[in-house]
Amino acid sequence: SSELTQDPTVSVALGQTVTITCQVDTVRSDYPGWFQQKPGQAPVLVIYGKNNRRPSGIPGRFSGSRSANTLSLTIFGAQAEDEADYYCYSRDRYGNQVVFGGGTKLTVL
Amino acid sequence: QVQLIQSASELKKPGASVKISCKSSGYTFTDYSIGWVRQAPGQGLEWVGWINTNTGIPTFAQDFRGRFVLSLDTSVTTTFLQISSLMAEDTAMYFCGRGDFLDYWGQGTLVAVSS
Repeated sequence: SSELTQDPTVSVALGQTVTITCQVDTVRSDYPGWFQQKPGQAPVLVIYGKNNRRPSGIPGRFSGSRSANTLSLTIFGAQAEDEADYYCYSRDRYGNQVVFGGGTKLTVL
Repeated sequence: QVQLIQSASELKKPGASVKISCKSSGYTFTDYSIGWVRQAPGQGLEWVGWINTNTGIPTFAQDFRGRFVLSLDTSVTTTFLQISSLMAEDTAMYFCGRGDFLDYWGQGTLVAVSS
């Protein structure tokens, strides 16, 4: 099965830029995405698709990219409200099974 | 506006069954699949499976085949997740989400399994 590997914790100083990464094994990632989850809340989609689109309402400081087997979520000028857990997500090579990364807890200092 | 509203929390004994629901509104129900995600206390997200709202055909992650059933009632734009032979390890928040990208989520349903 496919594996998506994330660093468990990442920190960033307020107003600085941070990148959260997700290592993808040999999975096909035509449907990559990133979710933000704050305590006690449902996840929120922040980046989706091959073209790393932002859903409406997601601030422009959130940006997604991919290089080889790494998906990346970059937050430019992190704000206090960006402190949350972030999960990457993708479909497996057959396009049927969905896989989540283990999650990264982002702390804004 | 798009909304997914889930049924209330459930407390069940081991061995029992539970059926939770996810009602969709604000869009054409059959245009998007509905996915289900499990989150155990303090843990990450696990994909349970999804159901094609046109055909009613479900697809499950490997770990959720057997005791988990997905169904739908198109007339009331609602999907259902049923879990049988409940175990303590099934205690979790269960979320539904819309479409390939899970762009909208329900608020979650807590299923607690305890004797």
